[in-house]
Amino acid sequence: GAVVSQHPSWVICKSGTSVKIECRSLDFQATTMFWYRQFPKQSLMLMATSNEGSKATYEQGVEKDKFLINHASLTLSTLTVTSAHPEDSSFYICSARGQLFYEQYFGPGTRLTVT
Amino acid sequence: DQQVKQNSPSLSVQEGRISILNCDYTNSMFDYFLWYKKYPAEGPTFLISISSIKDKNEDGRFTVFLNKSAKHLSLHIVPSQPGDSAVYFCAASGGGSEKLVFGKGTKLTVNP
Repeated sequence: GAVVSQHPSWVICKSGTSVKIECRSLDFQATTMFWYRQFPKQSLMLMATSNEGSKATYEQGVEKDKFLINHASLTLSTLTVTSAHPEDSSFYICSARGQLFYEQYFGPGTRLTVT
Repeated sequence: DQQVKQNSPSLSVQEGRISILNCDYTNSMFDYFLWYKKYPAEGPTFLISISSIKDKNEDGRFTVFLNKSAKHLSLHIVPSQPGDSAVYFCAASGGGSEKLVFGKGTKLTVNP
């Protein structure tokens, strides 16, 4: 149980285009999902907290107009990187909160490369 | 300001021996700590956690120790197996927030 999927697993896009990444909780309902970004040899940095049916809460320094988050259902959250630039190239990981307050189940991640 | 620190970027141990991974934190509001294991190009998988009301939690080969006064926790893996080779992240949460703050990770290599 507690499986989280992400799609796509990797994507290459041209600078200036937008990319959407999906995060799904497959066997449980997740009222809260989180989006992280990881640079090579760095820790996971929380970008935003996504709550079903409400606006996402972004961490300081994260541009909400650039990283659009939609949590339209209890099993799906999406992250759209708008007008992507090469510096947006990174590994994006989502997680879904489990039944316990501090419990998070992570997706396999999405490797984004912007050329 | 890094609130969760894993000062050893890598650790190498022999199969069958003990692996000890360390983590320090600075925020005294943290009251829940977790260890995650991560393979390249995959998301982290939960290993073990500990609440600040405990000083030890054990699950099979994995034991986490918490020293609150020193703001230090460690993960012990015994016996270590080659399949344990991965990056291990320490994470902390607290103050009523569900957010996790991660360390930079320690790459563990278990040699056969």
